[in-house]
Amino acid sequence: KNQVEQSPQSLIILEGKNCTLQCNYTVSPFSNLRWYKQDTGRGPVSLTIMTFSENTKSNGRYTATLDADTKQSSLHITASQLSDSASYICVVERGGADGLTFGKGTHLIIQP
Amino acid sequence: DAGITQSPRHKVTETGTPVTLRCHQTENHRYMYWYRQDPGHGLRLIHYSYGVKDTDKGEVSDGYSVSRSKTEDFLLTLESATSSQTSVYFCAISESMRAGRTEAFFGQGTRLTVV
Repeated sequence: KNQVEQSPQSLIILEGKNCTLQCNYTVSPFSNLRWYKQDTGRGPVSLTIMTFSENTKSNGRYTATLDADTKQSSLHITASQLSDSASYICVVERGGADGLTFGKGTHLIIQP
Repeated sequence: DAGITQSPRHKVTETGTPVTLRCHQTENHRYMYWYRQDPGHGLRLIHYSYGVKDTDKGEVSDGYSVSRSKTEDFLLTLESATSSQTSVYFCAISESMRAGRTEAFFGQGTRLTVV
């Protein structure tokens, strides 16, 4: 069964600290892996997309890594800001119009 | 937001009534999708469209129908709403299905409550 598992479910850190979110997947065949940020009451917004051959991708203070052999990905947030408070969703595509499998997300809270 | 408008943004309806949600895009993207988001679940695909009058079912299509008569509009209809359809509904669009580079853009969501 195609699944995307994220950990932790929720995380609270202090402003300015770094954190790492995890994603494990069993989706096959693999096309790409995406990380989305979803603010409360808003739709998801793309942070990064990585294909099989890419093992790291950065977008400002966000850095995603991908290990296609172990089927694991991580999202590292550096020097967190209050605006980073959101849910972060890992999504794996296997190709095809209906090919996106979504994780349940990690709910991140940044405290001042 | 990538030129996607969902309407209404909030709706409360009674069990058994029909409900239609609208997604309008100004990007001229070929693909449009309807997802639902519920606590304890990732986003789940309801229906999608790959062109005018071309639609297909997703993972959780029971109780829903869709129509796409114009490139820019994708309608989701609940023929007879049930409490299990209380959810937040998201529309998404994408330009192509080229593997590895298909960016999907999401609307703001519609919060539907069935009482």
